[in-house]
Amino acid sequence: DVKVTQSSRYLVKRTGEKVFLECVQDMDHENMFWYRQDPGLGLRLIYFSYDVKMKEKGDIPEGYSVSREKKERFSLILESASTNQTSMYLCASSPLGPQGFFGPGTRLTVL
Amino acid sequence: AQSVAQPEDQVNVAEGNPLTVKCTYSVSGNPYLFWYVQYPNRGLQFLLKYITGDNLVKGSYGFEAEFNKSQTSFHLKKPSALVSDSALYFCAVRDDSGGSYIPTFGRGTSLIVHP
Repeated sequence: DVKVTQSSRYLVKRTGEKVFLECVQDMDHENMFWYRQDPGLGLRLIYFSYDVKMKEKGDIPEGYSVSREKKERFSLILESASTNQTSMYLCASSPLGPQGFFGPGTRLTVL
Repeated sequence: AQSVAQPEDQVNVAEGNPLTVKCTYSVSGNPYLFWYVQYPNRGLQFLLKYITGDNLVKGSYGFEAEFNKSQTSFHLKKPSALVSDSALYFCAVRDDSGGSYIPTFGRGTSLIVHP
């Protein structure tokens, strides 16, 4: 089975802190994605990557950056966390085909 | 451009009754369509997909979905609902014409199955 893991299930940070969310997949997938999920808004794409060291902005990249130094790992970085970044963050990976596989999510609270 | 709509925020159904969760889409080319389920405080789990072929797609946990090209719909169905089916359901679409690997997700429909 494909496995996508995220470094934390729950995270509490303070405003202004630098926050790292890590995602690892074990199926050698080319594509990896970071979404945030908010009630009533569904899933919104923050960033995606289609290869090592390659990244593309999604719909809401402001306040976020990403890093993909190895194929299996895709990190989301909040340079200076703000309260409006309190959300559920979901990582996904997919091969060249269309189906995505999701991690369990990280619920981030910024105080 | 691609888009997807889930017109119902919430669907309520009694256990044992059939359920339908609606999804409509818009694409320029041909659609790849997906349904995912999310249980509380969990990630999304894949249920089923339509790529090509039979319009009726069968998936996990007894769910199925019917692709209707003329109505641009891909409704999720189950003949007999279980209380354990209560969850958040997401429809997603990807246009096969644009060369993008990025699906667009609907806002989600909360399914509540009453005992």
